[in-house]
Amino acid sequence: AQTVTQSQPEMSVQEAETVTLSCTYDTSESDYYLFWYKQPPSRQMILVIRQEAYKQQNATENRFSVNFQKAAKSFSLKISDSQLGDAAMYFCAYRSDIIQGAQKLVFGQGTRLTINP
Amino acid sequence: NAGVTQTPKFRVLKTGQSMTLLCAQDMNHEYMYWYRQDPGMGLRLIHYSVGEGTTAKGEVPDGYNVSRLKKQNFLLGLESAAPSQTSVYFCASTGKGNQPQHFGDGTRLSIL
Repeated sequence: AQTVTQSQPEMSVQEAETVTLSCTYDTSESDYYLFWYKQPPSRQMILVIRQEAYKQQNATENRFSVNFQKAAKSFSLKISDSQLGDAAMYFCAYRSDIIQGAQKLVFGQGTRLTINP
Repeated sequence: NAGVTQTPKFRVLKTGQSMTLLCAQDMNHEYMYWYRQDPGMGLRLIHYSVGEGTTAKGEVPDGYNVSRLKKQNFLLGLESAAPSQTSVYFCASTGKGNQPQHFGDGTRLSIL
């Protein structure tokens, strides 16, 4: 079974600085998807970025980018120019295909990110 | 665009009571999912559905039942609520292909 580990329960960063959130996973599959979700106090689950394992190029979405190391099974999220609105819980997730096209998302424990003004 | 709508948003139950959580999506998605989120943990899959009239067990199905009588709705039932089921429940849906899951806003359920 796949597992996802986020070893940093909490992180903090100064506004406008850069922060990196860590995520490692375990799988025997060769093709899969990885995601970072943001959960602000409003409780919504907001997709930040996703990475397809067969693509070697790291995904980027504006100020958010990932460092995907397939051999090391590592998938870190870098947030550049941190803004107060980035404060949230961040979850790393692995997508495992179940049957008939259904997907199972396996989540890490989450990292609470605080932005200091 | 409503997306995925969950009702109710909050509920307090007494041990042994029953209730049903409703999830509705307006995106004509094939697949629907119920997750629970507990403190210090990520979301865990309870049950899922690959289409109207079908349901299947996820990672933590015990104590829950589900039904999908209509494609747009996915119901999660607690027949006899227990304090261990105090949690935040999320519904999600996705279409065919490699689309990401769309989540509802969650239901906070407390069982006393």
